[in-house]
Amino acid sequence: DADVTQTPRNRITKTGKRIMLECSQTKGHDRMYWYRQDPGLGLRLIYYSFDVKDINKGEISDGYSVSRQAQAKFSLSLESAIPNQTALYFCATSDLTSGTYNEQFFGPGTRLTVL
Amino acid sequence: AQSVTQLGSHVSVSEGALVLLRCNYSSSVPPYLFWYVQYPNQGLQLLLKYTSAATLVKGINGFEAEFKKSETSFHLTKPSAHMSDAAEYFCAVSGSNTGKLIFGQGTTLQVKP
Repeated sequence: DADVTQTPRNRITKTGKRIMLECSQTKGHDRMYWYRQDPGLGLRLIYYSFDVKDINKGEISDGYSVSRQAQAKFSLSLESAIPNQTALYFCATSDLTSGTYNEQFFGPGTRLTVL
Repeated sequence: AQSVTQLGSHVSVSEGALVLLRCNYSSSVPPYLFWYVQYPNQGLQLLLKYTSAATLVKGINGFEAEFKKSETSFHLTKPSAHMSDAAEYFCAVSGSNTGKLIFGQGTTLQVKP
């Protein structure tokens, strides 16, 4: 079984709709991240969480919100989706206490299309 | 502040030829450096990482990278390309204990038969 899972894997929605992307991990890591990937722009950080009570904005948080329901779960919401939020979204985890030097472990991604 | 620049958004090589993917970084603190690979329709997988232990780092699938502080570079190489190496490659940098990675724009590697 995959250590980091994302649901749904693909989603098509309409402008103005609320949508939630979910991420779960079985690695026992305390840190979780949400990125979006756009062609030619690499991965950009949306939000990150260092534990259940610690949530931080990344470089492109406008239009997004997150919820850390438990150590293993980190959800990303688009309150009112717009077409320029069409992208590939990745969840990742990391665990500094293991000495992995910020190495992150990625889920398979969610491809979101906003019409 | 930290940043990463990958030179060349697309690189094309023939099967069996040398692969060279370029990465330059900027960091005000000693960096940790990573190369990740993304195969079609998959997430990112770690190829290798530099954590200050050795400047020449060997990774999976025959890839390696050399940390050159004087050139602020961490280029990825493989002596002989295989068709299965066709993918997108990302270089990333992190400072100690920041908990965040800064990614480059990515380089798509095409391998021609």
